[in-house]
Amino acid sequence: SQQGEEDPQALSIQEGENATMNCSYKTSINNLQWYRQNSGRGLVHLILIRSNEREKHSGRLRVTLDTSKKSSSLLITASRAADTASYFCATAGGSEKLVFGKGTKLTVNP
Amino acid sequence: GAVVSQHPSRVICKSGTSVKIECRSLDFQATTMFWYRQFPKQSLMLMATSNEGSKATYEQGVEKDKFLINHASLTLSTLTVTSAHPEDSSFYICSASAELAGGIDTQYFGPGTRLTVL
Repeated sequence: SQQGEEDPQALSIQEGENATMNCSYKTSINNLQWYRQNSGRGLVHLILIRSNEREKHSGRLRVTLDTSKKSSSLLITASRAADTASYFCATAGGSEKLVFGKGTKLTVNP
Repeated sequence: GAVVSQHPSRVICKSGTSVKIECRSLDFQATTMFWYRQFPKQSLMLMATSNEGSKATYEQGVEKDKFLINHASLTLSTLTVTSAHPEDSSFYICSASAELAGGIDTQYFGPGTRLTVL
């Protein structure tokens, strides 16, 4: 079943701007992960944040997690045209299974 | 590291035929692999969890007799779509579970297989 809900569903920005995508979920989690998918391709793991963490950075990516609000955000700073892709959050509970959100389609215009 | 391959990347078949999709972990062993289905502009829906040496666990609503899964070794899982019909046309993606630093398992995804049933 689908747990995560991302918003916005689609985001279009100019190169150099920051992109923020949000994800909400419904049940308790062990960790939350963000993935990227280029059109018609597989998923690439971007970053994982544990339930006891509030913020994590990786290069131009910044992820926050608010377990009280059951929400997470992914910030991409100084976006590039190559960042154009769909971004999904996925939550992991007590098992190895991941439950994916609906995704945000990001378009970065040169 | 943690590379997962899928074969074929694209397949077109006639209605009623069966199609086998392979998922391989190339540089690590995976006791658990997952099969997902993705319709255009939608998210990934988990179909089944494949465990090496045992029967797959199917998600609710997924027909196990239609989507046969075999996880014969620690590096290979196969999905066979039997008697395929046009409504089975979709993007099928596999993943393999691996342990990140810190002991947390995450999934590494294959590039996907585009199935078109005529």
